[in-house]
Amino acid sequence: KAGVTQTPRYLIKTRGQQVTLSCSPISGHRSVSWYQQTPGQGLQFLFEYFSETQRNKGNFPGRFSGRQFSNSRSEMNVSTLELGDSALYLCASSLETGTYGYTFGSGTRLTVV
Amino acid sequence: ELKVEQNPLFLSMQEGKNYTIYCNYSTTSDRLYWYRQDPGKSLESLFVLLSNGAVKQEGRLMASLDTKARLSTLHITAAVHDLSATYFCAASNAGGTSYGKLTFGQGTILTVHP
Repeated sequence: KAGVTQTPRYLIKTRGQQVTLSCSPISGHRSVSWYQQTPGQGLQFLFEYFSETQRNKGNFPGRFSGRQFSNSRSEMNVSTLELGDSALYLCASSLETGTYGYTFGSGTRLTVV
Repeated sequence: ELKVEQNPLFLSMQEGKNYTIYCNYSTTSDRLYWYRQDPGKSLESLFVLLSNGAVKQEGRLMASLDTKARLSTLHITAAVHDLSATYFCAASNAGGTSYGKLTFGQGTILTVHP
């Protein structure tokens, strides 16, 4: 079966711009969560959506936002990009409570210049 | 706030040797996950541990969970070069709607030498 699909794979943006990343979960998975991975801070949780509602939120500024559509696809938006936002952004999908684990996508590598 | 700590952070092993990676977490959690990450790649799920005393094995890797000690271990048996990667453990808060938020350890960079 198809895995978790993230687009685009790579992005280069300029400081101050905004960016939208997309994540299509495994069919039947209703939970989509987002993580930021950097060499300095490691893997940090951004937010999780379940049935179009944000169910959990991490400690990131309001510039980071997301949403989930009725088909469970999710988007993450970062406004007013800063150099420190350069990172690998990973999304993961799961059935309702993660009993069978979380499957991660290949990630979007964002570089802010 | 849930915190997850792994040790060691760096592990250099000889092929054929055994070793253990430890994952401690700070508050109640009944779900523990292990992932592998190769350079430049995403996270590959290795094990899902859902209850106290859970033990799972796949090839040369075995993971266990002790919820009373708040400790999970990933044991590597007779290491081979192909196991070289970064290994992460992650935990989620027990109960309610917190399952969807994983807190990751720092990762253990494993290098297996001939």
